[in-house]
Amino acid sequence: DTAVSQTPKYLVTQMGNDKSIKCEQNLGHDTMYWYKQDSKKFLKIMFSYNNKELIINETVPNRFSPKSPDKAHLNLHINSLELGDSAVYFCASSQDGDGRYTFGSGTRLTVV
Amino acid sequence: SQQGEEDPQALSIQEGENATMNCSYKTSINNLQWYRQNSGRGLVHLILIRSNEREKHSGRLRVTLDTSKKSSSLLITASRAADTASYFCATVKTGANNLFFGTGTRLTVIP
Repeated sequence: DTAVSQTPKYLVTQMGNDKSIKCEQNLGHDTMYWYKQDSKKFLKIMFSYNNKELIINETVPNRFSPKSPDKAHLNLHINSLELGDSAVYFCASSQDGDGRYTFGSGTRLTVV
Repeated sequence: SQQGEEDPQALSIQEGENATMNCSYKTSINNLQWYRQNSGRGLVHLILIRSNEREKHSGRLRVTLDTSKKSSSLLITASRAADTASYFCATVKTGANNLFFGTGTRLTVIP
């Protein structure tokens, strides 16, 4: 199936740990994104990345880092997890930045 | 801060009725999009309307855009229980390539 897939779907971890969330798209899109959805359902962009440029939302702590081994993958690595990092993280992709986005099904991160 | 504000925050209607959701935004835009999110799921793209368009239809969906008022509305006609979800407007600002989301409207359609 053509899609944006992210793993794991659920992630429970202790404060201070380092974790990664993986994202893959097989749509041939040029740009990938990470969004954070908090408990109030607000969706906030964290990063956008294509093979030329990484754009980081300035409010994202530097404990968060995107890693892209190739055009089809954009993983999210988080160092020193904090309680406030608990949220649902969505990966998305688009063919060009102003078109429709295709979202993954989300990763629910719970930091205890 | 969020690019858009939606109202109402929550809407409950009977099956068969029409549902209208409104979105206001703050800056000039290239386009405005509407997405649906079912509980515990990802977002699904519904419709995109460009800044030079005023109205667009897709099946039971009708979207309007008023750039002078920086607002949009989503109308779902003849609602069904399966339409129960959260609906988000999202904008691509002029000169930017990222999608900024509104606060969302939680729609409940009662069978």
